[in-house]
Amino acid sequence: GENVEQHPSTLSVQEGDSAVIKCTYSDSASNYFPWYKQELGKRPQLIIDIRSNVGEKKDQRIAVTLNKTAKHFSLHITETQPEDSAVYFCAEGDSWGKLQFGAGTQVVVTP
Amino acid sequence: KAGVTQTPRYLIKTRGQQVTLSCSPISGHRSVSWYQQTPGQGLQFLFEYFSETQRNKGNFPGRFSGRQFSNSRSEMNVSTLELGDSALYLCASSLNTGVGYGYTFGSGTRLTVV
Repeated sequence: GENVEQHPSTLSVQEGDSAVIKCTYSDSASNYFPWYKQELGKRPQLIIDIRSNVGEKKDQRIAVTLNKTAKHFSLHITETQPEDSAVYFCAEGDSWGKLQFGAGTQVVVTP
Repeated sequence: KAGVTQTPRYLIKTRGQQVTLSCSPISGHRSVSWYQQTPGQGLQFLFEYFSETQRNKGNFPGRFSGRQFSNSRSEMNVSTLELGDSALYLCASSLNTGVGYGYTFGSGTRLTVV
């Protein structure tokens, strides 16, 4: 997405290690930041999201942090497992309902 | 509860032809958005419809158009197909048009232009 930068583009981690993906955005009006996971040949699926009035959100092994001042947000996956291997997309949205996506991060978890 | 249904799943068309793709949202969802997914460009926003009105539009040429019916089903049309239109077209439905509430994606239509 032209308004969302996502890094890194590929990420290889050993099983059990943590993975971190970072995104930056430019639109001050953005107030919704979801993360999607897309396995090969499948549809993107929402895994976690955060709204601008919250700084951090956790759901089991995944967490998202948001720094509105710096306009960046991150996805953290702890204790990675082979089934975490997928492409992860960050996105940012505003009150008008349009989501802009990052270019995606290919995560490979090696046993 | 049925998910987002896109038809057809696969399509092969020739340059210059036109194509119509269909998306049936989750029952009760009134917002439908369309995205183009390609390996080089990621997920690019095409347009979003809510209650039969186009609320948002991405940066695509006028060859790409869409509409939404009273039952919230949506169609997108691409006229005068080009090789570069080959992509996976995904639609996503949501309860609310604002703040991207819980987008659910369909499985997509894989369009190949030859």
